[in-house]
Amino acid sequence: EPEVTQTPSHQVTQMGQEVILRCVPISNHLYFYWYRQILGQKVEFLVSFYNNEISEKSEIFDDQFSVERPDGSNFTLKIRSTKLEDSAMYFCASREASVTNEKLFFGSGTQLSVL
Amino acid sequence: GNSVTQMEGPVTLSEEAFLTINCTYTATGYPSLFWYVQYPGEGLQLLLKATKADDKGSNKGFEATYRKETTSFHLEKGSVQVSDSAVYFCALRGGSYIPTFGRGTSLIVHP
Repeated sequence: EPEVTQTPSHQVTQMGQEVILRCVPISNHLYFYWYRQILGQKVEFLVSFYNNEISEKSEIFDDQFSVERPDGSNFTLKIRSTKLEDSAMYFCASREASVTNEKLFFGSGTQLSVL
Repeated sequence: GNSVTQMEGPVTLSEEAFLTINCTYTATGYPSLFWYVQYPGEGLQLLLKATKADDKGSNKGFEATYRKETTSFHLEKGSVQVSDSAVYFCALRGGSYIPTFGRGTSLIVHP
């Protein structure tokens, strides 16, 4: 079965540094998502992306966050100036264009540790 | 807003035991309900879903029934295997295509 690929699997960074988390969605999918899970807490929605623009975002997704689809295959999440509380597992997901198929395909996540 | 509450884990069982993982939800309208599973080192995968009240989703021996009266979608399996050890996430989707997830429940099955 096709899969969503995320890199790196682990990222350690210093507070205040910029990080870019990378995702390669499934090739014929058109909807892309970022979620995160802080240890012990719920999986939280960050942002969805369709047709080269953000379609929805949560309150968590403030000016420190941005997403980009730079080359038609990658889908990146950038955190401009990381904070300790950004430490979490970040999941990328993608979905087909069909309105009747709502199945999300997830990557295995990037564990971000901010020191 | 929409929310999902799952029982805290880990749930530890012996092989062939009966499994229940509780999930309750809060939502306006008539959401679709899902269970996703995450095996070690992998991404979340859709396990089963139900789109309306009294629907039963089933897959790989797992079942969950959409109970509107109790706003619940508990996951059950009659006889678990070691290979079922994973983290299970309950989720709902309301008006938008953005699923809302719970915190996940870890299941550990011993031989």
